[in-house]
This record gives sequence, structure tokens and C-alpha cells, in this order.
Amino acid sequence: KAGVTQTPRYLIKTRGQQVTLSCSPISGHRSVSWYQQTPGQGLQFLFEYFSETQRNKGNFPGRFSGRQFSNSRSEMNVSTLELGDSALYLCASSLTAGVRDPLHFGNGTRLTVT
Amino acid sequence: AQSVTQLDSQVPVFEEAPVELRCNYSSSVSVYLFWYVQYPNQGLQLLLKYLSGSTLVKGINGFEAEFNKSQTSFHLRKPSVHISDTAEYFCAVSLSGDYKLSFGAGTTVTVRA
Repeated sequence: KAGVTQTPRYLIKTRGQQVTLSCSPISGHRSVSWYQQTPGQGLQFLFEYFSETQRNKGNFPGRFSGRQFSNSRSEMNVSTLELGDSALYLCASSLTAGVRDPLHFGNGTRLTVT
Repeated sequence: AQSVTQLDSQVPVFEEAPVELRCNYSSSVSVYLFWYVQYPNQGLQLLLKYLSGSTLVKGINGFEAEFNKSQTSFHLRKPSVHISDTAEYFCAVSLSGDYKLSFGAGTTVTVRA
């Protein structure tokens, strides 16, 4: 069974631009969560989607948004990029909403903002 | 809100020696507890989890952890490490019924021959 696929693996953007990251969950998984990982703040929850609905959102500004499609694939978008948005963005999928079922993480998209 | 403290940021250990990674959390309500491992340039992999029941939890790759409610701890142990266990380890907690994980800052384990 294929794992969680995140594309692209690496991105370099300039301040003020916007970016879209993609996540394809494991087949049959309906929940997708996003986390940001930085050396300073560690791993922080961004949002979770289940059946195309955002179920929970972390403490991030409105520049961070996401969506989930009917095939459970998810995208997250960051507008008006800032230097502090440089991070590894991790997507995780699971069978159901919440954390009782194991979260399966992708290898991440490393975003560098210059 | 819950918080997670991993008491050691770096743990050097010799091959075949035991290792213990310490994790404490702060929450007055029921929680779920997890340990994840992250190898270089990869995502996180679940080692084990505690949802309820037996306080001693066995995971993959020979790891185990013990939930201690009175001390609000969930320490991870392995009796004999291998070079391949070199990685960063994260403790995470979630309030029962919540949708997100709150992670500790991580512990880097370096196994030396």
C-alpha cells in the first residue's frame, strides 16, 4: 500500500508570494492533518480535514488555509509568504477523524522563503 | 491546554546499551499519549501509543513505554539499542476526543559503536 505522498519535496519562494502544497493520503484514509515543523517552534498543528470539512484549526494566521477534495487529497495554501514561514510542512492521514487511529505521516515539503 | 516536556534534548548512547527517554505532560483530564520517531529527511513514524488499559505499552522495534498517571509521565525505553535507532524522538499528547497532537521539543538519540 502506498504511503502518504507530499508534493513537491522542496520549494523556494520569495516573500510576498503564495504557495500551494499537496498531500495524497493512504488509500481509504479520510482524515488529513497538517503540521508545521521548525527548529524554533517544533511541531505545531495547522488543521485537520475529514470528509472535505475542516474539523479543527491550530493557532495560525488566516494566511494559512487548506481544503480537502472528495478523493481525500488535501492542499494547503500560504499567502503573502513571510520569512518565518520557512519550515517543513508535514501531512498525516488516518482512517477516521481524531487521533485514536494512527497518524501516517508523509516525508514533508520543505519550504524556504527568501 | 496541555503541554509536553521532553527532559533531554540529546541522548548519546553506546550500541547494545539501554536507553530511556523522558516525557512529562501537564493535563488534568484524560489524555492519549504517543511516541513518534523521525529519521533524517523523513516524516514521523508511530512507535507506540497509550489510549487506555494497561499502563505498559509495547511498540515497534523493541520499544516500550510506561504511563504513570500520578507523575504525569510517559517515558520511552529500549533495553538494547542499535545504530539504526539514531533518530529524533517525539513525545505527543492529545486530550481524549481531541483532533490534534501536541508535541514535545524532541530528543535526539545518537547511537555510537
